[in-house]
Amino acid sequence: AQSVTQLDSHVSVSEGTPVLLRCNYSSSYSPSLFWYVQHPNKGLQLLLKYTSAATLVKGINGFEAEFKKSETSFHLTKPSAHMSDAAEYFCVVSDVRTSGTYKYIFGTGTRLKVLA
Amino acid sequence: EAGVTQSPTHLIKTRGQQATLRCSPISGHTSVYWYQQALGLGLQFLLWYDEGEERNRGNFPPRFSGRQFPNYSSELNVNALELEDSALYLCASSPTGAGANVLTFGAGSRLTVL
Repeated sequence: AQSVTQLDSHVSVSEGTPVLLRCNYSSSYSPSLFWYVQHPNKGLQLLLKYTSAATLVKGINGFEAEFKKSETSFHLTKPSAHMSDAAEYFCVVSDVRTSGTYKYIFGTGTRLKVLA
Repeated sequence: EAGVTQSPTHLIKTRGQQATLRCSPISGHTSVYWYQQALGLGLQFLLWYDEGEERNRGNFPPRFSGRQFPNYSSELNVNALELEDSALYLCASSPTGAGANVLTFGAGSRLTVL
């Protein structure tokens, strides 16, 4: 069965320092993986997605994530945090082989705080 | 191109009443997903509609129901409202129900049950 675990519910970084948001997944098949961001009182916006092409995926706003099958991880990183990055981030797994009961599994979210 | 639109933005109801939330997908998208985001509980999958049919349902009681119209817009109905139904309800659309398509989300409808 599919599952996704975001290892940190809260992360705090100083502006200008690197960001690391951790995500581990479990999937019986070849998963598709996504990161979404949600700013307060807003819907979710796609940051990036992995669908079995390059393992290093670049997204919007300087974010990137690396798919590591051996570690079943899909961690989100950014070299330098900006105040506007403060938001909640969701890791999502989707099993592309599942049909009929196909669905997306969302992690519980990581709230990123950026300190001035 | 218009994004996913949801209405109303905010809705206040009392226990036992019914709530109806609406969603218009991106033009050309045939799949609509509904999620509940209650405080502290993350996103919980409610319903998936594709081509007018209900394709999958999350672990919610039958008083949560919905439908998809021929123009692919959708509505979510919640009957016999309970206090714990207070949440942000998010709608998302995608081009098709199969494969690793990106979900595009609306801004949500915040339901408050008093």
